[in-house]
Amino acid sequence: AQSVSQHNHHVILSEAASLELGCNYSYGGTVNLFWYVQYPGQHLQLLLKYFSGDPLVKGIKGFEAEFIKSKFSFNLRKPSVQWSDTAEYFCAVHSGSARQLTFGSGTQLTVLP
Amino acid sequence: EPEVTQTPSHQVTQMGQEVILRCVPISNHLYFYWYRQILGQKVEFLVSFYNNEISEKSEIFDDQFSVERPDGSNFTLKIRSTKLEDSAMYFCASRSGRKLDTEAFFGQGTRLTVV
Repeated sequence: AQSVSQHNHHVILSEAASLELGCNYSYGGTVNLFWYVQYPGQHLQLLLKYFSGDPLVKGIKGFEAEFIKSKFSFNLRKPSVQWSDTAEYFCAVHSGSARQLTFGSGTQLTVLP
Repeated sequence: EPEVTQTPSHQVTQMGQEVILRCVPISNHLYFYWYRQILGQKVEFLVSFYNNEISEKSEIFDDQFSVERPDGSNFTLKIRSTKLEDSAMYFCASRSGRKLDTEAFFGQGTRLTVV
């Protein structure tokens, strides 16, 4: 069965710091990979996704993620975070063997002004 | 922009009571899902629904749970006799197609508290 691991449970950064959130998945076949963000009191929103092609994908609000197949990883990055990036971030996998998303446990990002 | 809406945003219920969580998926979507997130834990798949029947369900989705699309617009999750461990945030999602590259849109969630 597929699984997703997010190793950082809570990350605290100051504004303008660079961000990298780790995501590893376990599934050997073709995968589609997603990062979702959940701002306080709001619904899950798609930040970016990877289906195929360029392994470096750019999403909304300056976020990007790199798919490294050999490492089964899809880490999320942002060069300079803002206070408004404070939210919970979820990595998710949608693979060929399942019709639903499998989520990681989430990373709470707190950006200090 | 079309969105998935869920009501209520927060529901408190006594253990043993029945609850119905409501969702209005995006109107032209065909695939519907319920997920839940227990506080501090990961988002877990409960059930998927297509063509008026359940297409997949997880181990969590036992006989206490049921889903329905009663009127062509609402998509409901019913818990017959709630337990303390049912306390969680419940998310509804919908997709227009079943292909892997079809994005799932999520509602804002219903926080269920069982006391």
